[in-house]
Amino acid sequence: SQQGEEDPQALSIQEGENATMNCSYKTSINNLQWYRQNSGRGLVHLILIRSNEREKHSGRLRVTLDTSKKSSSLLITASRAADTASYFCATDAWGTSGSRLTFGEGTQLTVNP
Amino acid sequence: KAGVTQTPRYLIKTRGQQVTLSCSPISGHRSVSWYQQTPGQGLQFLFEYFSETQRNKGNFPGRFSGRQFSNSRSEMNVSTLELGDSALYLCASSTDDRGLFKNIQYFGAGTRLSVL
Repeated sequence: SQQGEEDPQALSIQEGENATMNCSYKTSINNLQWYRQNSGRGLVHLILIRSNEREKHSGRLRVTLDTSKKSSSLLITASRAADTASYFCATDAWGTSGSRLTFGEGTQLTVNP
Repeated sequence: KAGVTQTPRYLIKTRGQQVTLSCSPISGHRSVSWYQQTPGQGLQFLFEYFSETQRNKGNFPGRFSGRQFSNSRSEMNVSTLELGDSALYLCASSTDDRGLFKNIQYFGAGTRLSVL
């Protein structure tokens, strides 16, 4: 079962608008990551935020993390049609050795030109 | 550097058969993970290999197995295929830079398996 739950499941906006996606998780984490997946392809890493960080920026992306609420949000500003994709949060749990990301169920973002 | 390469891209098999999928990680990456993606279950972790040893394992039956070679290339095998095994199988590699608490995964394009 997926640890993360993402909200909303689907989001449709116009080019130029901002898009916000939310992610909740259940266990203590080392870090939380966001990935993008274009239809039927592999995932691409977007940004990583460590458990001791509250906010991080990368270009048009802004990620926040609230460990007390076990939640994170991804904001894409000034969206473009090329941002149309599925977005997943993934948690790297505290105490696990090696790699074992747990992915949320994803948000399907559609940006209309 | 070349990215993560998965072969084949598409596979069609029938129930009861077995299948082997291959993954070549990014040069220098020693950790290789496998994920199954389906519309109903989402992305689920199968297993992770590091230095030819399975280091983590997800909740999949024993029909799903894997291995890693000395050059870090990895294979995943599914025996006695079932209809529910139809999925996109994704391989990801990472540097396993645990000292900085980073575990960024670099994904291949996936192998689309259809079981008829």
